[in-house]
Amino acid sequence: KAGVTQTPRYLIKTRGQQVTLSCSPISGHRSVSWYQQTPGQGLQFLFEYFSETQRNKGNFPGRFSGRQFSNSRSEMNVSTLELGDSALYLCASSLGNRRHYGYTFGSGTRLTVV
Amino acid sequence: AQRVTQPEKLLSVFKGAPVELKCNYSYSGSPELFWYVQYSRQRLQLLLRHISRESIKGFTADLNKGETSFHLKKPFAQEEDSAMYYCALRDSGGSNYKLTFGKGTLLTVNP
Repeated sequence: KAGVTQTPRYLIKTRGQQVTLSCSPISGHRSVSWYQQTPGQGLQFLFEYFSETQRNKGNFPGRFSGRQFSNSRSEMNVSTLELGDSALYLCASSLGNRRHYGYTFGSGTRLTVV
Repeated sequence: AQRVTQPEKLLSVFKGAPVELKCNYSYSGSPELFWYVQYSRQRLQLLLRHISRESIKGFTADLNKGETSFHLKKPFAQEEDSAMYYCALRDSGGSNYKLTFGKGTLLTVNP
């Protein structure tokens, strides 16, 4: 079955712009989580959605937002981009209703802010 | 607060030698622990989860609640084990579904 698909794979944006990243989970998975990966901070949790509802949120400013659609696809948006937002953004999906299941990750979107 | 510590950023062993990647955690609740692996140019993938008590690719990990550790072990390392390894924790109850990751250990297995 198809894995977690993230688009686009690469993005270059200018400071002050906004960006939208997309994630399509594995078919049947209803939970989608987003993580930011940087060399300095490692993998940091952004937020998690289940059945179109945000269940958990990490410690990121309000410029970072997300949503989930009825087909479980998810988008995250970053407004007023800063240089420090340059990172690999990873999406992960899971069934969401069995707590001991691990998450399946996508290949990520590499965002560069110039 | 959840915290995961992987004390070694780099670990280098020879093929056939035993390997242990350390993971310590801090969490006041009941944790679920995972090991994720990222091979070169591949996506992050689940290797082990403590609740299933399985052995994958010869790797095992035991949750030691007394020492708050979840070390990953393999008796005989192979060159194809070279990768970045991340230990991760999440709450096993309640409504917190986030994964907290350690900073990772880069394992190199030399021929």
